[in-house]
Amino acid sequence: GAGVSQSPSNKVTEKGKDVELRCDPISGHTALYWYRQRLGQGLEFLIYFQGNSAPDKSGLPSDRFSAERTGESVSTLTIQRTQQEDSAVYLCASVPYSGGETQYFGPGTRLLVL
Amino acid sequence: KNQVEQSPQSLIILEGKNCTLQCNYTVSPFSNLRWYKQDTGRGPVSLTIMTFSENTKSNGRYTATLDADTKQSSLHITASQLSDSASYICVVRVYNDYKLSFGAGTTVTVRA
Repeated sequence: GAGVSQSPSNKVTEKGKDVELRCDPISGHTALYWYRQRLGQGLEFLIYFQGNSAPDKSGLPSDRFSAERTGESVSTLTIQRTQQEDSAVYLCASVPYSGGETQYFGPGTRLLVL
Repeated sequence: KNQVEQSPQSLIILEGKNCTLQCNYTVSPFSNLRWYKQDTGRGPVSLTIMTFSENTKSNGRYTATLDADTKQSSLHITASQLSDSASYICVVRVYNDYKLSFGAGTTVTVRA
């Protein structure tokens, strides 16, 4: 079946602009994570969604970052007033159920802020 | 603070040779450790997962070991192939927590 998909695959934007990144999880997966991957660094947790529960937003680096997910479907990560330090790969992963061990990652969105 | 340290940062090996990657962690309480392979431009894909009681786990030419007492793990690649060129990421889960701790990865380049 289809895996996790993300769009766009690449995004170049100017400092100060808003960007919206999209994640389509595997159908039926209840949990969804967003991560940021900076060059040469480990994946950094941003936000976690589990079903209809309140999301864990503890990893969002500033109030310029927000994410939404409706039920167990598509999620969007929005970065407002982008800064150059926001340049990174943003990865989305879905999990079959709460507490499930294997995270299935999308290919990521490469964001470059000029 | 839960940390995962990987070494080396990168390595280059000739096709057909073996190599070993290291992972040290301070995550506690420990639940499991997973190795992921991340090809360039792709998301990470799970290779192996080991719990506290497991010392070794194989997946084809990939063999992972775990010493939970010293909090060390290794990933051994046997008879490397060009397709093994990728970043290998060590990931540790804290017990009863959905968050993971990621290492920065080791970039492996296999040359013909």
